[in-house]
Amino acid sequence: QKEVEQNSGPLSVPEGAIASLNCTYSDRGSQSFFWYRQYSGKSPELIMSIYSNGDKEDGRFTAQLNKASQYVSLLIRDSQPSDSATYLCAVNSGGFKTIFGAGTRLFVKA
Amino acid sequence: SQTIHQWPATLVQPVGSPLSLECTVEGTSNPNLYWYRQAAGRGLQLLFYSVGIGQISSEVPQNLSASRPQDRQFILSSKKLLLSDSGFYLCAWSVGGINEQFFGPGTRLTVL
Repeated sequence: QKEVEQNSGPLSVPEGAIASLNCTYSDRGSQSFFWYRQYSGKSPELIMSIYSNGDKEDGRFTAQLNKASQYVSLLIRDSQPSDSATYLCAVNSGGFKTIFGAGTRLFVKA
Repeated sequence: SQTIHQWPATLVQPVGSPLSLECTVEGTSNPNLYWYRQAAGRGLQLLFYSVGIGQISSEVPQNLSASRPQDRQFILSSKKLLLSDSGFYLCAWSVGGINEQFFGPGTRLTVL
């Protein structure tokens, strides 16, 4: 069974620090990788997509993909209290089924 | 721009009652549509997806069903709710072969 694993947290970082969120997946055939942010009581919001090995940067967010290690991460630079949320890692192996991890709770202390 | 609507936002239903949740998408044609359920502290569980009108694929056998009567309308139903049906129900859309999915605001269902 295809799985996506995340540390549930909470991950606590001080304001202005770098938050590092990690995710591993089991299916070597996975092709598309996503990070979603979910505030408490709200629906997930897509913040990053990555499809090839290496880094992809968008503002304060950097997604990193290593297919050989089956590992994807999200770095948040200059963390703000408004970044406090649960971050979901999602993986697609082609087709319509995307597997979501249970999420990592991030808390940014002011 | 694309917009996705879900209603109702919250729902409290007794065990054994029927259920109908609706999702509509605006600003795109022929979207792929999805129903997910998120239990407290858990990941998203894919329930159904649809690639076109009348085309429904079920991922998890259960007492729920889905229908797509129009291109941008997706409905989740049950004839008799169970306690285990409680959760946060999310509708999502994507287009073409791109697997980026965008979620609606969700319906929080409590079955008592």
